[in-house]
Amino acid sequence: AQTVTQSQPEMSVQEAETVTLSCTYDTSESDYYLFWYKQPPSRQMILVIRQEAYKQQNATENRFSVNFQKAAKSFSLKISDSQLGDAAMYFCAYRSGNQGGSEKLVFGKGTKLTVNP
Amino acid sequence: GAVVSQHPSRVICKSGTSVKIECRSLDFQATTMFWYRQFPKQSLMLMATSNEGSKATYEQGVEKDKFLINHASLTLSTLTVTSAHPEDSSFYICSAVGWGGNQPQHFGDGTRLSIL
Repeated sequence: AQTVTQSQPEMSVQEAETVTLSCTYDTSESDYYLFWYKQPPSRQMILVIRQEAYKQQNATENRFSVNFQKAAKSFSLKISDSQLGDAAMYFCAYRSGNQGGSEKLVFGKGTKLTVNP
Repeated sequence: GAVVSQHPSRVICKSGTSVKIECRSLDFQATTMFWYRQFPKQSLMLMATSNEGSKATYEQGVEKDKFLINHASLTLSTLTVTSAHPEDSSFYICSAVGWGGNQPQHFGDGTRLSIL
């Protein structure tokens, strides 16, 4: 079974600075997808960024980028120019690529990010 | 972008009541919907996966008769917590995904269930 590990229960960053959240995963599959979701205090789950395993290029979405190291099974999230609104729980998630999208997500335990003004 | 509506957002009811939560995909057809439970300061725990027109697949340890799931159309899935008790109080979140290997799950806003 696949597992996702987020080794940092909590992180903090100064406003306008850069922070990196760690995520590692374990799988024997070659076709899969990785995601970062953000859950602010409102508890809404918001997709931040996603990465297809077959793509070597790291995904980017504005201030958010990932460092995808497939051989190391690492998928870290970098947030640049941190803003107060970035404060939230961040969940790393894995999904198998085998069944057209109907596969379940495997979540890490989350990292609580605090942004200090 | 894809929108998933979950209703109600908050429920407070007496022990023994059955509670129904709806999850709707508003602008896409959801071939699969997922139901999660989240305890405070914890990650999401998958309860079940439902595909339109077929029986839901429950995760180990989740009581099928307690948490009834119906996925009658490509845009609607419901979770009914039957004869709810205080230990069922939690935050329940649904998600939906359309067809296609690269489609992400889109989440509803969640339902906070409190059983008195």
